[in-house]
Amino acid sequence: EAQVTQNPRYLITVTGKKLTVTCSQNMNHEYMSWYRQDPGLGLRQIYYSMNVEVTDKGDVPEGYKVSRKEKRNFPLILESPSPNQTSLYFCASSKGLAGGPYTEQYFGPGTRLTVT
Amino acid sequence: RKEVEQDPGPFNVPEGATVAFNCTYSNSASQSFFWYRQDCRKEPKLLMSVYSSGNEDGRFTAQLNRASQYISLLIRDSKLSDSATYLCVVIVNTGGFKTIFGAGTRLFVKA
Repeated sequence: EAQVTQNPRYLITVTGKKLTVTCSQNMNHEYMSWYRQDPGLGLRQIYYSMNVEVTDKGDVPEGYKVSRKEKRNFPLILESPSPNQTSLYFCASSKGLAGGPYTEQYFGPGTRLTVT
Repeated sequence: RKEVEQDPGPFNVPEGATVAFNCTYSNSASQSFFWYRQDCRKEPKLLMSVYSSGNEDGRFTAQLNRASQYISLLIRDSKLSDSATYLCVVIVNTGGFKTIFGAGTRLFVKA
């Protein structure tokens, strides 16, 4: 089954404790992306990757890191989480046509993160 | 000003009604346009792509006006199952390709 998986689905942590949210897709997609969703603000792009070893900032990259060492995986790293990073996080992937995500983006089920 | 703006609603309509959603975008480097649907904090799912020539998928019709930087979605003969949040999405060529979501329009279809 074609899918995007994220782990963990739910996480409660404390300020300053490094964490990683994993994202994996089995569709051989070039484009992968992380979003956070907050009430009233919609989904905002954190980072995206157009292919292996190619990453770029979205609109809200501060406080986050990513890496793309393999095509299927795109982990999101919070080196020192803060309460303002409490949010619902989605990973997505898309086949890259002409380098861009011009086709459907498939989303993972989401990770609900609470930082206290 | 947000790069992609939508009327947040909510829109409350009876079954069978026709409802229209609008979306405006501000970046002239916008290249691709989509409508996604999101049910109650679940992951967004593609409803349809939007083309300049307009496109239709069953009860759903999408239109793009590049000159006015405006996108629309029309839902005819609304069903209870259409109740969801509809997200306008724009891909912007910044040298890379950023994805910008509108904040969404909430639709409630009532019996």
